[in-house]
Amino acid sequence: DAGVIQSPRHEVTEMGQEVTLRCKPISGHNSLFWYRQTMMRGLELLIYFNNNVPIDDSGMPEDRFSAKMPNASFSTLKIQPSEPRDSAVYFCASSGQHNQPQHFGDGTRLSIL
Amino acid sequence: GQQVMQIPQYQHVQEGEDFTTYCNSSTTLSNIQWYKQRPGGHPVFLIQLVKSGEVKKQKRLTFQFGEAKKNSSLHITATQTTDVGTYFCAVTGNQFYFGTGTSLTVIP
Repeated sequence: DAGVIQSPRHEVTEMGQEVTLRCKPISGHNSLFWYRQTMMRGLELLIYFNNNVPIDDSGMPEDRFSAKMPNASFSTLKIQPSEPRDSAVYFCASSGQHNQPQHFGDGTRLSIL
Repeated sequence: GQQVMQIPQYQHVQEGEDFTTYCNSSTTLSNIQWYKQRPGGHPVFLIQLVKSGEVKKQKRLTFQFGEAKKNSSLHITATQTTDVGTYFCAVTGNQFYFGTGTSLTVIP
């Protein structure tokens, strides 16, 4: 069975550019999560969706970050404009229901120069 | 807001020694999950604890949930080099928090 699929795996771009990260959750999972991981701040929840509806976006750093889930099989996390401090590994995870075990994708390693 | 603290932050052990990481919360938890992240990898779910005082085992790993449901522990008996990685507890419910993690290094 296919797990959570994220793209791209790596992204290097200059500050000020728009960055779009993509995620395909496991089929049949109702909850989707976006995380950011850095050495300094650890693993932070940015936003999570339940049945395609954003439930908690309190972890989104600022207005430069936005996330959408237009359907049950696709979500995006967008940063516009990007800044060097956004450099991190961004993980997407999905679960059957919001309290159930989360399955993580391989992550996107983002570097903003 | 709710915070989940893990101790220790780092642990170096000789292969064959035991290892324990602790997860502490200031509030009562509905349940707790444990994940392992290998270097360069992504978190992988290990187990979920729900009941007060619950103890679960997976081979050399023993997971405990405190009686007051405010703390949890993961104990590894006789560590192996394959146990290397960072172990996270995670609190689920209305909000989600991952603990700060314990990075385990096993020296052959």
